Amino acid sequence: GAGVSQSPRYKVAKRGQDVALRCDPISGHVSLFWYQQALGQGPEFLTYFQNEAQLDKSGLPSDRFFAERPEGSVSTLKIQRTQQEDSAVYLCASSQRLAGPLSSYNEQFFGPGTRLTVL
Amino acid sequence: AQTVTQSQPEMSVQEAETVTLSCTYDTSENNYYLFWYKQPPSRQMILVIRQEAYKQQNATENRFSVNFQKAAKSFSLKISDSQLGDTAMYFCALYSSGSARQLTFGSGTQLTVLP
Repeated sequence: GAGVSQSPRYKVAKRGQDVALRCDPISGHVSLFWYQQALGQGPEFLTYFQNEAQLDKSGLPSDRFFAERPEGSVSTLKIQRTQQEDSAVYLCASSQRLAGPLSSYNEQFFGPGTRLTVL
Repeated sequence: AQTVTQSQPEMSVQEAETVTLSCTYDTSENNYYLFWYKQPPSRQMILVIRQEAYKQQNATENRFSVNFQKAAKSFSLKISDSQLGDTAMYFCALYSSGSARQLTFGSGTQLTVLP
């Protein structure tokens, strides 16, 4: 079946521009995660959705970052007034069931990421 | 807070040989999961192997096995009979029951398998 898809695969923005990154999770997956991966580093958590509810946005680095999942499927990560330090790969992952401290781990399936370069 | 440390930025191994990648972690939780992910140049993060902390037996998946030392908070990955397709970035990751729902990743080890 289809995996997690992300678009665009590559995005170049001029400093100050707004960008929108799209994630299509695996159909039926309840949980959706966004991660930021700087060059040569491991991914770092940004935010988490359970269906359409954004339950955790503690990893968003500034108020320029905004994520939404209005219908509980496709998600968009928006970055306003991009800065050079925003340059990174943005990874999306989805998992089938609810994630939570009392549940067993549900495997997160990752998309190929969007490489954002801010000039 | 939980942390994951990978102290080997780069490693290489000859094809068909065995290589071990190191990882240490820190968490205050008793119930957690550890993972090794592979990320080839395509950037697709692929789960290689997982270990549940309450299981004493080390996980094995074909040529991949782990050495899980809970007291030492160490979680190494052994790749046997290395193949050219194993060339990739490898990340150690931690998920704990008490944390938010995210994975915490190490900084990665670039593994190159030489012909």
